[in-house]
Amino acid sequence: QVQLVESGGGVVQPGGSLRLSCAASGFTFSRHGMHWVRQAPGKGLEWVAFVRHDGLIEFYADSVKGRFTISRDNSKNTLYLQMSRLRTEDTSIYYCAKDGGIEVAPSEFDYWGQGTLVTVSS
Amino acid sequence: EIVLTQSPATLSLSPGERATLSCRASQHIRTFLAWYQQKPGQAPRLLIYDASNRATGIPAKFSGSGSGTDFTLTISGLEPEDFAVYYCQQRSNWPLTFGGGTKVEIK
Repeated sequence: QVQLVESGGGVVQPGGSLRLSCAASGFTFSRHGMHWVRQAPGKGLEWVAFVRHDGLIEFYADSVKGRFTISRDNSKNTLYLQMSRLRTEDTSIYYCAKDGGIEVAPSEFDYWGQGTLVTVSS
Repeated sequence: EIVLTQSPATLSLSPGERATLSCRASQHIRTFLAWYQQKPGQAPRLLIYDASNRATGIPAKFSGSGSGTDFTLTISGLEPEDFAVYYCQQRSNWPLTFGGGTKVEIK
């Protein structure tokens, strides 16, 4: 069965950096695009970033563009999110999510991890 | 950016009743819309994709309809486990966006 397990969350000061990981299993990781989606405490869902199956194309939400970098290592079945210049408003649960399709265009998020909490606070 | 507006924000219903949730897009998105359910402390779960297709393992009491800018999620015969927050999401254009959510609560 598909499993996505995030790690790397924690408390970081404003302006700091953090790298999240998402270990994937139960499907052919290298065939699917992957996403990061976040949810601030008590708020709704916000899509953050997407990386194509081969890692060669990325898209970002404007709110994180230039500060966050999504990447993947298909040899390790792992997705990453490098976050820098963190702001208090980046405080959220960060979920990795599998793209349901195998095309270049995005599909729905058909599987989600349980999330990892990032708290940006001084 | 495509804005998705969900209504109502909160829906108060009794078990056994039918829930009708709305999602309106600020631009035409054909049928590139999905619905998710989220329970407290859990990750979202995909219910419907491409406006009307049930995801794997989703019971027939969940149905989706619509195209263009107006979409509906219907839950027939609410059961206790269906009381949750529901989000719509579009994949027609970057950036991908979600609606603000509809909370279905027990009346």
